[in-house]
Amino acid sequence: SQTIHQWPATLVQPVGSPLSLECTVEGTSNPNLYWYRQAAGRGLQLLFYSVGIGQISSEVPQNLSASRPQDRQFILSSKKLLLSDSGFYLCAWSIGAATRGATQYFGPGTRLTVL
Amino acid sequence: AQSVTQPDIHITVSEGASLELRCNYSYGATPYLFWYVQSPGQGLQLLLKYFSGDTLVQGIKGFEAEFKRSQSSFNLRKPSVHWSDAAEYFCAVGAMNSGYSTLTFGKGTMLLVSP
Repeated sequence: SQTIHQWPATLVQPVGSPLSLECTVEGTSNPNLYWYRQAAGRGLQLLFYSVGIGQISSEVPQNLSASRPQDRQFILSSKKLLLSDSGFYLCAWSIGAATRGATQYFGPGTRLTVL
Repeated sequence: AQSVTQPDIHITVSEGASLELRCNYSYGATPYLFWYVQSPGQGLQLLLKYFSGDTLVQGIKGFEAEFKRSQSSFNLRKPSVHWSDAAEYFCAVGAMNSGYSTLTFGKGTMLLVSP
Protein backbone atom coordinates (compact mmCIF):
# COMPACT_ATOMS: atom_id res chain seq x y z
CA SER A 1 0.00 0.00 0.00
CA GLN A 2 1.00 3.60 -0.45
CA THR A 3 2.28 5.77 2.37
CA ILE A 4 3.38 9.37 2.53
CA HIS A 5 5.88 10.79 4.98
CA GLN A 6 6.68 14.35 5.96
CA TRP A 7 9.45 15.67 8.14
CA PRO A 8 10.03 17.30 10.35
CA ALA A 9 6.71 17.12 12.18
CA THR A 10 7.26 20.47 13.86
CA LEU A 11 9.74 23.25 13.29
CA VAL A 12 10.46 26.58 14.96
CA GLN A 13 12.64 28.91 12.93
CA PRO A 14 13.74 32.54 13.28
CA VAL A 15 12.80 35.13 10.70
CA GLY A 16 15.36 35.25 7.91
CA SER A 17 16.53 31.66 8.32
CA PRO A 18 16.34 29.06 5.53
CA LEU A 19 13.76 26.30 5.31
CA SER A 20 13.67 22.79 3.94
CA LEU A 21 10.65 20.51 4.34
CA GLU A 22 10.68 17.06 2.86
CA CYS A 23 7.93 14.79 1.59
CA THR A 24 8.35 11.24 0.33
CA VAL A 25 5.86 8.75 -1.05
CA GLU A 26 6.20 4.99 -0.94
CA GLY A 27 4.40 2.26 -2.82
CA THR A 28 3.61 4.09 -6.05
CA SER A 29 5.43 5.35 -9.12
CA ASN A 30 5.23 8.67 -10.94
CA PRO A 31 2.77 10.28 -8.55
CA ASN A 32 1.55 13.84 -8.83
CA LEU A 33 2.79 15.71 -5.78
CA TYR A 34 1.37 18.78 -4.09
CA TRP A 35 2.34 21.25 -1.36
CA TYR A 36 -0.40 23.05 0.55
CA ARG A 37 -0.27 25.59 3.34
CA GLN A 38 -3.00 25.79 5.93
CA ALA A 39 -3.27 28.95 7.99
CA ALA A 40 -5.81 29.34 10.78
CA GLY A 41 -9.26 30.07 9.41
CA ARG A 42 -8.09 30.20 5.81
CA GLY A 43 -8.50 26.66 4.58
CA LEU A 44 -5.95 25.00 2.32
CA GLN A 45 -3.91 27.01 -0.13
CA LEU A 46 -2.22 25.12 -2.95
CA LEU A 47 1.39 26.27 -3.21
CA PHE A 48 3.03 23.95 -5.74
CA TYR A 49 2.31 20.85 -7.72
CA SER A 50 4.50 18.52 -9.71
CA VAL A 51 3.73 15.91 -12.32
CA GLY A 52 7.28 14.61 -12.68
CA ILE A 53 10.94 15.01 -11.77
CA GLY A 54 12.01 18.60 -12.21
CA GLN A 55 8.50 19.70 -13.23
CA ILE A 56 7.12 22.24 -10.78
CA SER A 57 4.16 24.55 -11.14
CA SER A 58 3.61 27.40 -8.73
CA GLU A 59 0.14 28.54 -7.80
CA VAL A 60 0.97 31.72 -5.94
CA PRO A 61 3.99 34.06 -5.99
CA GLN A 62 5.72 33.95 -2.62
CA ASN A 63 8.81 33.45 -0.60
CA LEU A 64 8.86 29.70 -1.14
CA SER A 65 10.13 27.32 -3.80
CA ALA A 66 9.74 23.62 -4.48
CA SER A 67 11.88 20.95 -6.05
CA ARG A 68 11.44 17.34 -7.06
CA PRO A 69 14.85 15.72 -7.27
CA GLN A 70 13.50 12.15 -7.35
CA ASP A 71 10.26 10.57 -8.51
CA ARG A 72 8.81 10.21 -5.03
CA GLN A 73 10.48 13.10 -3.22
CA PHE A 74 9.14 16.64 -3.01
CA ILE A 75 10.94 19.42 -1.15
CA LEU A 76 9.66 22.80 -0.04
CA SER A 77 12.31 25.45 0.55
CA SER A 78 12.89 29.05 1.42
CA LYS A 79 16.07 31.11 1.52
CA LYS A 80 14.74 33.57 4.09
CA LEU A 81 11.64 32.89 6.15
CA LEU A 82 9.05 35.55 6.88
CA LEU A 83 6.65 35.69 9.81
CA SER A 84 3.82 35.12 7.34
CA ASP A 85 5.31 31.74 6.38
CA SER A 86 4.08 30.26 9.66
CA GLY A 87 1.44 27.58 9.19
CA PHE A 88 0.73 23.93 8.73
CA TYR A 89 2.28 22.51 5.56
CA LEU A 90 0.72 19.50 3.95
CA CYS A 91 2.07 17.33 1.19
CA ALA A 92 -0.27 15.22 -0.94
CA TRP A 93 -0.03 12.76 -3.81
CA SER A 94 -2.36 11.49 -6.49
CA ILE A 95 -2.29 9.28 -9.54
CA GLY A 96 -3.82 10.29 -12.82
CA ALA A 97 -2.70 13.70 -13.98
CA ALA A 98 -5.16 13.99 -16.82
CA THR A 99 -8.37 13.68 -14.88
CA ARG A 100 -9.91 16.16 -12.51
CA GLY A 101 -11.25 13.28 -10.49
CA ALA A 102 -7.83 12.26 -9.20
CA THR A 103 -8.09 11.69 -5.46
CA GLN A 104 -5.39 13.31 -3.37
CA TYR A 105 -3.94 11.56 -0.32
CA PHE A 106 -2.36 13.67 2.38
CA GLY A 107 0.65 13.33 4.62
CA PRO A 108 0.65 14.06 8.35
CA GLY A 109 1.86 17.65 7.91
CA THR A 110 4.59 19.91 9.29
CA ARG A 111 3.81 22.64 11.79
CA LEU A 112 6.10 25.62 11.06
CA THR A 113 6.39 28.53 13.46
CA VAL A 114 8.48 31.50 12.43
CA LEU A 115 9.48 33.79 15.29
CA ALA B 1 -12.85 29.49 -11.97
CA GLN B 2 -14.15 26.89 -9.56
CA SER B 3 -14.94 27.63 -5.92
CA VAL B 4 -16.31 25.92 -2.82
CA THR B 5 -18.27 27.54 -0.02
CA GLN B 6 -18.79 26.01 3.38
CA PRO B 7 -21.13 28.49 5.04
CA ASP B 8 -20.71 27.21 8.60
CA ILE B 9 -17.38 27.88 10.29
CA HIS B 10 -18.38 26.02 13.46
CA ILE B 11 -21.15 23.58 14.25
CA THR B 12 -21.93 22.03 17.63
CA VAL B 13 -23.90 18.79 17.76
CA SER B 14 -24.87 16.64 20.71
CA GLU B 15 -23.49 13.13 20.75
CA GLY B 16 -26.01 10.79 19.18
CA ALA B 17 -27.73 13.54 17.21
CA SER B 18 -27.76 13.74 13.44
CA LEU B 19 -25.36 15.91 11.50
CA GLU B 20 -25.45 17.81 8.23
CA LEU B 21 -22.53 19.90 6.99
CA ARG B 22 -23.21 22.16 4.06
CA CYS B 23 -21.14 22.57 0.93
CA ASN B 24 -21.90 24.62 -2.17
CA TYR B 25 -19.71 24.59 -5.23
CA SER B 26 -19.27 26.60 -8.39
CA TYR B 27 -18.00 24.77 -11.44
CA GLY B 28 -18.79 25.06 -15.12
CA ALA B 29 -19.15 21.36 -15.83
CA THR B 30 -20.18 18.21 -14.00
CA PRO B 31 -18.21 18.42 -10.77
CA TYR B 32 -16.04 15.85 -9.09
CA LEU B 33 -16.62 16.40 -5.37
CA PHE B 34 -14.82 15.28 -2.25
CA TRP B 35 -15.18 15.43 1.53
CA TYR B 36 -12.12 15.21 3.76
CA VAL B 37 -11.78 15.18 7.55
CA GLN B 38 -8.88 16.57 9.57
CA SER B 39 -8.26 15.81 13.23
CA PRO B 40 -6.22 18.39 15.16
CA GLY B 41 -2.59 18.42 14.09
CA GLN B 42 -3.13 15.72 11.49
CA GLY B 43 -3.33 15.45 7.73
CA LEU B 44 -6.55 15.16 5.76
CA GLN B 45 -8.35 11.85 5.38
CA LEU B 46 -10.72 11.16 2.50
CA LEU B 47 -14.28 10.44 3.66
CA LEU B 48 -16.00 10.03 0.31
CA LYS B 49 -16.11 11.27 -3.25
CA TYR B 50 -18.66 11.77 -6.03
CA PHE B 51 -17.79 11.33 -9.68
CA SER B 52 -21.01 10.28 -11.39
CA GLY B 53 -23.98 7.95 -11.08
CA ASP B 54 -25.91 7.61 -7.85
CA THR B 55 -26.19 11.02 -6.23
CA LEU B 56 -26.10 9.56 -2.72
CA VAL B 57 -22.56 8.52 -1.91
CA GLN B 58 -21.52 6.36 1.03
CA GLY B 59 -18.21 6.90 2.75
CA ILE B 60 -16.17 5.71 5.67
CA LYS B 61 -17.08 6.11 9.35
CA GLY B 62 -20.82 6.07 8.59
CA PHE B 63 -20.84 9.30 6.56
CA GLU B 64 -22.80 9.92 3.40
CA ALA B 65 -23.21 12.86 1.07
CA GLU B 66 -25.83 13.81 -1.48
CA PHE B 67 -25.08 15.60 -4.73
CA LYS B 68 -27.83 18.00 -5.79
CA ARG B 69 -27.06 19.58 -9.13
CA SER B 70 -30.02 21.98 -8.99
CA GLN B 71 -28.72 23.43 -5.73
CA SER B 72 -25.00 23.13 -6.52
CA SER B 73 -24.65 21.37 -3.21
CA PHE B 74 -22.86 18.35 -1.80
CA ASN B 75 -23.88 18.17 1.85
CA LEU B 76 -22.33 15.69 4.25
CA ARG B 77 -24.54 13.77 6.67
CA LYS B 78 -24.31 11.30 9.49
CA PRO B 79 -27.34 9.91 11.33
CA SER B 80 -25.72 9.66 14.77
CA VAL B 81 -22.60 11.57 15.73
CA HIS B 82 -19.92 10.09 17.99
CA TRP B 83 -17.52 12.12 20.12
CA SER B 84 -14.67 10.89 17.92
CA ASP B 85 -16.23 12.72 14.95
CA ALA B 86 -15.11 16.07 16.40
CA ALA B 87 -12.76 17.43 13.74
CA GLU B 88 -12.60 19.86 10.85
CA TYR B 89 -14.33 18.90 7.62
CA PHE B 90 -13.38 20.12 4.17
CA CYS B 91 -15.35 19.96 0.95
CA ALA B 92 -13.44 20.13 -2.33
CA VAL B 93 -14.08 20.21 -6.07
CA GLY B 94 -11.75 18.65 -8.62
CA ALA B 95 -10.65 20.70 -11.59
CA MET B 96 -8.05 20.83 -14.31
CA ASN B 97 -5.28 23.42 -14.04
CA SER B 98 -3.06 23.78 -17.10
CA GLY B 99 -3.94 20.22 -18.02
CA TYR B 100 -3.40 18.65 -14.60
CA SER B 101 -5.73 17.72 -11.80
CA THR B 102 -6.06 19.96 -8.76
CA LEU B 103 -8.49 20.30 -5.87
CA THR B 104 -10.09 23.52 -4.70
CA PHE B 105 -11.08 23.39 -1.04
CA GLY B 106 -13.62 25.22 1.04
CA LYS B 107 -12.44 26.93 4.22
CA GLY B 108 -13.70 24.09 6.37
CA THR B 109 -16.30 23.51 9.07
CA MET B 110 -15.20 22.73 12.61
CA LEU B 111 -17.46 20.15 14.23
CA LEU B 112 -17.74 20.19 18.01
CA VAL B 113 -19.53 17.31 19.74
CA SER B 114 -21.13 17.97 23.11
CA PRO B 115 -21.83 15.17 25.62
